[in-house]
Amino acid sequence: GDSVTQMEGPVTLSEEAFLTINCTYTATGYPSLFWYVQYPGEGLQLLLKATKADDKGSNKGFEATYRKETTSFHLEKGSVQVSDSAVYFCALSDNQAGTALIFGKGTTLSVSS
Amino acid sequence: DGGITQSPKYLFRKEGQNVTLSCEQNLNHDAMYWYRQDPGQGLRLIYYSQIVNDFQKGDIAEGYSVSREKKESFPLTVTSAQKNPTAFYLCASSIGLVTGELFFGEGSRLTVL
Repeated sequence: GDSVTQMEGPVTLSEEAFLTINCTYTATGYPSLFWYVQYPGEGLQLLLKATKADDKGSNKGFEATYRKETTSFHLEKGSVQVSDSAVYFCALSDNQAGTALIFGKGTTLSVSS
Repeated sequence: DGGITQSPKYLFRKEGQNVTLSCEQNLNHDAMYWYRQDPGQGLRLIYYSQIVNDFQKGDIAEGYSVSREKKESFPLTVTSAQKNPTAFYLCASSIGLVTGELFFGEGSRLTVL
């Protein structure tokens, strides 16, 4: 079945460092891909998405490119801030009727000043 | 403001008791979901509903029950048959099942004493 694999955390960075969180997926069709963020004690929020190959999603300085050839959707940010500390989830929708979103296990990011 | 409201935010339960978690949305979304979140395991789907009076089991439905009598409401009951109910529970909704973009509530933390 479809699945999402994320790099294990925690990821610990200093402020202004470059961030990459790896995400790869397995899907039989042409999925849509998402990154969600969860701040401490809260629910998840959509961070960005891409619906077809080579699309780049971006928001709040974060970017991710849908790479069909490598089945990847890695999250990047050029300069992280302390306020980016959160758990990041990669997710997949196989765009088939009757199926729900599939999430990765999440990657915890901790940014120190 | 539109959104999803979960209550209670914190709940304590004695072993052998059933508890019901409330989830209400005013986004006019057709689809609603319940996820369970445990440390290191990401989000696991419990139940989801595409329309009123219809719902499907997710990956970990055993020991849980739901109802969908109104479009706005999707309560989750954690029954005494759930062997390890202590967790963080997240409710979400989306316009339809296939769109992929979920809107989450702030979660309910259940602790069994």
